[in-house]
Amino acid sequence: ETGVTQSPTHLIKTRGQQVTLRCSSQSGHNTVSWYQQALGQGPQFIFQYYREEENGRGNFPPRFSGLQFPNYSSELNVNALELDDSALYLCASSMSGGAETQYFGPGTRLLVL
Amino acid sequence: GIQVEQSPPDLILQEGANSTLRCNFSDSVNNLQWFHQNPWGQLINLFYIPSGTKQNGRLSATTVATERYSLLYISSSQTTDSGVYFCADNTDKLIFGTGTRLQVFP
Repeated sequence: ETGVTQSPTHLIKTRGQQVTLRCSSQSGHNTVSWYQQALGQGPQFIFQYYREEENGRGNFPPRFSGLQFPNYSSELNVNALELDDSALYLCASSMSGGAETQYFGPGTRLLVL
Repeated sequence: GIQVEQSPPDLILQEGANSTLRCNFSDSVNNLQWFHQNPWGQLINLFYIPSGTKQNGRLSATTVATERYSLLYISSSQTTDSGVYFCADNTDKLIFGTGTRLQVFP
């Protein structure tokens, strides 16, 4: 059974650029959630995808968007990067769209200069 | 929305000591999870504990949902226990607490 994987592990971008982060869910899981963790804080919910549809969104602007593919892997896209977007981006997968146990990937560290 | 507060914010222990971490909720808790975030950022599931008590080795957790709190006990702490401990309410999305940063020294 493979766990949750994310790529890339680290990324440096400049303000105004666009970035795509990727997540492969754990085997058998059909739900992926994305979280942003700024330095020294707890993770904040961005959005969740369940069976390729967005299934809930946190307090993030529309320039944060996502996709889920038929194999349940997912992408997080951020347009017009701002300095405050520098953070650890975590994805978590779970068995269904409800309150099931979520399992996290190792994260992608994004630095915006 | 629900607010999750954790205490203490920071904890420094010597190897072998025991500790109790607390998580308080502003509203009813649905499904509570405890996580350990290691120094590399990986969040590791410790417990899924909506109510009652669970134990896993040196760790145990108790949730009293009616009183809106949960406790995580770490016994005989080891240096590998260092990191940040988060509790989170799981209502299809996770709402994380403020975290407790634990440092265990040999």
